[in-house]
Amino acid sequence: DTAVSQTPKYLVTQMGNDKSIKCEQNLGHDTMYWYKQDSKKFLKIMFSYNNKELIINETVPNRFSPKSPDKAHLNLHINSLELGDSAVYFCASSQATGTTEAFFGQGTRLTVV
Amino acid sequence: AQSVSQHNHHVILSEAASLELGCNYSYGGTVNLFWYVQYPGQHLQLLLKYFSGDPLVKGIKGFEAEFIKSKFSFNLRKPSVQWSDTAEYFCAVKIYNQGGKLIFGQGTELSVKP
Repeated sequence: DTAVSQTPKYLVTQMGNDKSIKCEQNLGHDTMYWYKQDSKKFLKIMFSYNNKELIINETVPNRFSPKSPDKAHLNLHINSLELGDSAVYFCASSQATGTTEAFFGQGTRLTVV
Repeated sequence: AQSVSQHNHHVILSEAASLELGCNYSYGGTVNLFWYVQYPGQHLQLLLKYFSGDPLVKGIKGFEAEFIKSKFSFNLRKPSVQWSDTAEYFCAVKIYNQGGKLIFGQGTELSVKP
């Protein structure tokens, strides 16, 4: 009964490759997010979708492209991976953007070699 | 710029010691405040939250936090820590009308010695 699930949990890939991370939530939330946690464990938002519409796009390279086929799914596609993309990527969801908390997935540890 | 600052990078305590982790944010308007915990290798879990009302909020596992608006602070406390509290603790702020994004502090690593 996982609320926010991400796949894969671990991803090791070479520089220059293209990869995707998938996220699904079964909480009925209408807002989903991608956060990046760097090697110092600092968490920063990348994107947010509300009802399949992009509402937050922080200063993230164009190589990162989120896609939300429906409000229960938010995938992250990364082109031309670079060493600096190595991080843990967390998907999260919340009910609307108001007075609610976010629920996080278990994270995807991406290692670019 | 809006930011969240956690005072301690790494805290080491013995079991049964009391804990207080500091958190300050820089924003003068309406905010929601959160503390999340990340156990080793796991995802973030909500410890407690403040939206409005009583500034002293109680969370899971005996944690509590106090919102002091005049000080822009939301410090986390626990009277007696356990070895199982060893984890990374994150303070986060959600600013009204900014799309629901959380602004996180840099985290505090808590190590509890048995």
